[in-house]
Amino acid sequence: DVKVTQSSRYLVKRTGEKVFLECVQDMDHENMFWYRQDPGLGLRLIYFSYDVKMKEKGDIPEGYSVSREKKERFSLILESASTNQTSMYLCASSLVTRYSYNEQFFGPGTRLTVL
Amino acid sequence: AQTVTQSQPEMSVQEAETVTLSCTYDTSESDYYLFWYKQPPSRQMILVIRQEAYKQQNATENRFSVNFQKAAKSFSLKISDSQLGDAAMYFCAYRSDRTGANSKLTFGKGITLSVRP
Repeated sequence: DVKVTQSSRYLVKRTGEKVFLECVQDMDHENMFWYRQDPGLGLRLIYFSYDVKMKEKGDIPEGYSVSREKKERFSLILESASTNQTSMYLCASSLVTRYSYNEQFFGPGTRLTVL
Repeated sequence: AQTVTQSQPEMSVQEAETVTLSCTYDTSESDYYLFWYKQPPSRQMILVIRQEAYKQQNATENRFSVNFQKAAKSFSLKISDSQLGDAAMYFCAYRSDRTGANSKLTFGKGITLSVRP
């Protein structure tokens, strides 16, 4: 069964803290993605990775960085958390195959609150 | 850049009835994929249905079907015989075929569907 897991469902941090959000997939997928979800804004892509140690900026990368040292794990890092980064963070993964749907599979999400 | 528009933020349907969720998109490409994702209150996003742009036949998955109008750039989701478990947020999403190597999705803002018993 396909599975994407995220390290925490709920997280509360203080302004200025360094925050790590971890995502692990067990499907041997090449692609991994980090989104944030805010009411009225839908899902916005922060960063994605198409291979180990490879990353590309999404639509809203400012204030975030990522790390992918192993194929199954993709980490989102908030170097210095701010209150405007309070949000739901969703991780996803997908295969890379030509002429295919390459649908994304999502984790359960991490609700991050920055005080 | 591609955009996906879901203009209705909320809809409501009576249990056992049919509801249609609207989605339009803007693209200059001819080959692409379209998706509807469901996010129940527990927050795990799951795929409901998918459509390849080159296929004229509308996709169907049990009670879920789409009305894909390529010329109009419209991709609506029809839910038949609505059930209480259909209550969720639904997202329409677009993927370019040209980005096959990384499969980025562009999402609409979502619509919250409630089902009245």
